[in-house]
Amino acid sequence: DADVTQTPRNRITKTGKRIMLECSQTKGHDRMYWYRQDPGLGLRLIYYSFDVKDINKGEISDGYSVSRQAQAKFSLSLESAIPNQTALYFCATSEGTSVKREQFFGPGTRLTVL
Amino acid sequence: RKEVEQDPGPFNVPEGATVAFNCTYSNSASQSFFWYRQDCRKEPKLLMSVYSSGNEDGRFTAQLNRASQYISLLIRDSKLSDSATYLCVVNEDNDYKLSFGAGTTVTVRA
Repeated sequence: DADVTQTPRNRITKTGKRIMLECSQTKGHDRMYWYRQDPGLGLRLIYYSFDVKDINKGEISDGYSVSRQAQAKFSLSLESAIPNQTALYFCATSEGTSVKREQFFGPGTRLTVL
Repeated sequence: RKEVEQDPGPFNVPEGATVAFNCTYSNSASQSFFWYRQDCRKEPKLLMSVYSSGNEDGRFTAQLNRASQYISLLIRDSKLSDSATYLCVVNEDNDYKLSFGAGTTVTVRA
């Protein structure tokens, strides 16, 4: 079984709809991250969490919110989806207190907003 | 200016060839450097970290040039399975933040 899982894997929705993307991990890592990837651009950080009580905005958090329900679960919400949020979304985890450690990515969620 | 810039390629090479490409970064305070590999429509996976003295991992060699602010990746004896997009990743002086390049695509042909 995969260590980092994401659901759904693909989603098509309409402008204005609320969408939740879920991420679960069995690696026991404290740190979790949400990124989006667009063609021609590098991965960009949306939100990150160092533990259950710690949530931080990344570089492109506008239009998104997150919830860290447990150490193993970190969900990303789009309260009112818009077309420019169409992208490939990745959840990632890492251990320890330094980003210098390897990040492990989930398989991604391909989101299309019409 | 992007924090991490890569030549998108594609680099099309025959099996057995050597291919090399660079990545430049803008923040001179950057601390750590990595190459990740991403197969089409799949998640990125760590290929190797890049150390100041340069390092090898099998057929892969990574180099860091702090003075010119670039890192490089060289692949020797290319295999079909090396076909992928290679992401340059830089950790700046903030503990949480990794900056990703858009990737360099390598296609190895038989």
